[in-house]
Amino acid sequence: AQSVTQLDSQVPVFEEAPVELRCNYSSSVSVYLFWYVQYPNQGLQLLLKYLSGSTLVKGINGFEAEFNKSQTSFHLRKPSVHISDTAEYFCAVRTQGGSEKLVFGKGTKLTVNP
Amino acid sequence: ETGVTQTPRHLVMGMTNKKSLKCEQHLGHNAMYWYKQSAKKPLELMFVYNFKEQTENNSVPSRFSPECPNSSHLFLHLHTLQPEDSALYLCASSQEGTRTYEQYFGPGTRLTVT
Repeated sequence: AQSVTQLDSQVPVFEEAPVELRCNYSSSVSVYLFWYVQYPNQGLQLLLKYLSGSTLVKGINGFEAEFNKSQTSFHLRKPSVHISDTAEYFCAVRTQGGSEKLVFGKGTKLTVNP
Repeated sequence: ETGVTQTPRHLVMGMTNKKSLKCEQHLGHNAMYWYKQSAKKPLELMFVYNFKEQTENNSVPSRFSPECPNSSHLFLHLHTLQPEDSALYLCASSQEGTRTYEQYFGPGTRLTVT
């Protein structure tokens, strides 16, 4: 079975500062990896995904993430955040060749302060 | 707007009531999902329908009853709920059998059980 750990439940940063949201996963088989964002009173929106190929993936809104197989990590980064990036961010995994099931982490609440 | 709509957006019901949540996807997908999102907990997958067949029932109490009449519509029938069932219920859809793998989420129904 897979599991996802998001080590930080809350991350406060100032506007225009860089940010990294951490995600580690556990799985005995190869996985696909995803980051979703949830703005207040909304559903989840896909930010980016890693399926194969280059380990550095770029997503929407200037976010990127790097897949590190040896460390079983998929950390999300943005070099300069905006107030509008304030939201909750969820990391998720799905087994390659397995069921359609996504396993989510508990989420990280990013708060960008002026 | 992700192409997945949910109604109602907010619902307050007593423990003896019967109500239904509705989800509709306009993306031509062949799989649909119900998730429960509670505070401080990861998203919990409740049910999966793939090509209208239920492929996952994640040990959900029988007071929750899903229905998938066609590949575009998904219902969650509720009866004799408990206060701990208060949560945000999210619907999602995906196109299985392709190499995209991501799920598209609706905005959710905020359920309060009194």
